Amino acid sequence: AQSVTQPDIHITVSEGASLELRCNYSYGATPYLFWYVQSPGQGLQLLLKYFSGDTLVQGIKGFEAEFKRSQSSFNLRKPSVHWSDAAEYFCAVGDPSGYALNFGKGTSLLVTP
Amino acid sequence: DAEITQSPRHKITETGRQVTLACHQTWNHNNMFWYRQDLGHGLRLIHYSYGVHDTNKGEVSDGYSVSRSNTEDLPLTLESAASSQTSVYFCASSEFSEQYFGPGTRLTVT
Repeated sequence: AQSVTQPDIHITVSEGASLELRCNYSYGATPYLFWYVQSPGQGLQLLLKYFSGDTLVQGIKGFEAEFKRSQSSFNLRKPSVHWSDAAEYFCAVGDPSGYALNFGKGTSLLVTP
Repeated sequence: DAEITQSPRHKITETGRQVTLACHQTWNHNNMFWYRQDLGHGLRLIHYSYGVHDTNKGEVSDGYSVSRSNTEDLPLTLESAASSQTSVYFCASSEFSEQYFGPGTRLTVT
């Protein structure tokens, strides 16, 4: 069965510093991969997605992610973090044979001045 | 603009009561999903539907039921609420794999 692991429960970065959030998946074939962001008290918003093709995908709010098949990873990056990026980030994997998603447990990002 | 709404946004109920959480989407999506979010567990799939009259169990379906009588709505029913069902519930819809989420319902069972 497919699964998603986000190794970091909490991450703290300084405003203006670069960010990388890790995501590892377990799946036999090439999965559909997603990153969602959840601000406090809000629903989830899609940041970016990977289905196939170019392994470096660009998303909203200046985020990007790179699919690495050899490492079964789909890490999220941002070159310069803003205070408004403080939120919970979820990686998810979808099964191409269906439409349900399997979510990681999330990484909570704190941005310090 | 198309959207997905949930009601109520907050609900307090007593153990043993039946509770129904509403989810309504105007995207005209065939696929709809219910998740619960708990600290340390992320989002876990409760039930999902791929079309009218279609329902499927997810990872944590015990104690919950859904029915799909039209494209727009997928209400989630807790047949006999338990304290373990205190959680934040999210509804989502999709045409393919990209899901759009509602704002959530915070349910407290006392």
